Formats: sequence, C-alpha cells, structure tokens
Amino acid sequence: SQQGEEDPQALSIQEGENATMNCSYKTSINNLQWYRQNSGRGLVHLILIRSNEREKHSGRLRVTLDTSKKSSSLLITASRAADTASYFCATASSSNTGKLIFGQGTTLQVKP
Amino acid sequence: GAVVSQHPSRVICKSGTSVKIECRSLDFQATTMFWYRQFPKKSLMLMATSNEGSKATYEQGVEKDKFLINHASLTLSTLTVTSAHPEDSSFYICSAPGRGAKNIQYFGAGTRLSVL
Repeated sequence: SQQGEEDPQALSIQEGENATMNCSYKTSINNLQWYRQNSGRGLVHLILIRSNEREKHSGRLRVTLDTSKKSSSLLITASRAADTASYFCATASSSNTGKLIFGQGTTLQVKP
Repeated sequence: GAVVSQHPSRVICKSGTSVKIECRSLDFQATTMFWYRQFPKKSLMLMATSNEGSKATYEQGVEKDKFLINHASLTLSTLTVTSAHPEDSSFYICSAPGRGAKNIQYFGAGTRLSVL
C-alpha cells in the first residue's frame, strides 16, 4: 500500500530557481529516501536520510526529516533543465524488511 | 555501483498470452528482488518480494497465479504475466537492494507491457 503523500503533485519553475518537494508518511521508519525517475525509465536513488538525522546534503540536494510530523522535504537548488523528472520519496520501515513504500511523486519541470 | 538489467523494455502481446519479464543483477548477488507496477503518472505499487530459492511474498490484492515470480538464482528473478488481459497493460519495474546499504534499491529500466 502507498503510504506517502507528496506535494505538490506538479511543479514548474525556471532554470536557476530552487525547487522544494514535500513528503508525508504514516508509519515508523528506519530511513527515508528520495528517488528520481525520468519519463518511462527506472528509478535512480538520490539520497537517504536515517530516522535519527534531521538534515542531509548531497551536492545541490538538501533533505530534511521531521519524524515528529512524519514529513520530509527535498530541496533542489539552482535547478537545471536536466533536473526535469519525477521525484519520489520512499520509506523503509523500522522492521527493516528491505521493502520500500513510495509516495505519490512530484513531477518537476524546469524550463530553460 | 550496482546495476540491474531488465528485459524486455517493451512488449506488445495479444490477450490470453503469457509474457515473461527478466530482472538481472549484473555485478552483485541479490537474494531478494522487488517487483513494482506503475500506472501512468502514478506512483510505484509494490507487487511482490522475490526470494531466491523460495516462494515469493505477494502484497495484498496481487494475484499470485496471475503474476508468477521465480527467483532461481542469485542474479535472476522473472515475472510472468499469465493469460494477459488489456487491464494488465502497465509499466513493470524490478529492483534489488545493493551491497552493503541494503535499503537502497537499484532499479531496472522497466518494461512497458501493452496487451491488445
């Protein structure tokens, strides 16, 4: 079952602007991850944040996690046209089965 | 990095036929693989967990007789859509947890199935 809600569902920005996507989840987690999917392709892992972490950076990506609110955000700074894709959050449960439950995704369009 | 190969990338078949999709871990062993289904502009829905040497674990609502999963080796899992119908048309994606960081999934490129 899908437990994640993401907003916005779609986001359109100009190149150079920042893009922020939010994700909420319902159950206890071991970690939360963000993935990117180009149209008609598989997913690529971007970043993982553990349940005991609050913020993490990787290049132009910044992820925050608020376990009290069961929410996370992904910030892409200085966006590029090549960032155009769908972005999904995924949670790994605290039972650590390896299964990931994906959010509904945010479709990002970066206009050149 | 870990590479997962999925084949075929696209298949068109007639209603009533069966279609097999392969998912291979190319440079690592995967005792577990996951199969997802994705509808247009929607999220990934986990269908089943494929376990090497044992039966797959299906998610609630997924017909095990319809979607046969075989994980006969440490690098190969197959999903067979049996007696396919137009409503089975979808994008199917497999993934495998990588070495070390087991929660990070490496995904195949997906298979677009169209049933006529």
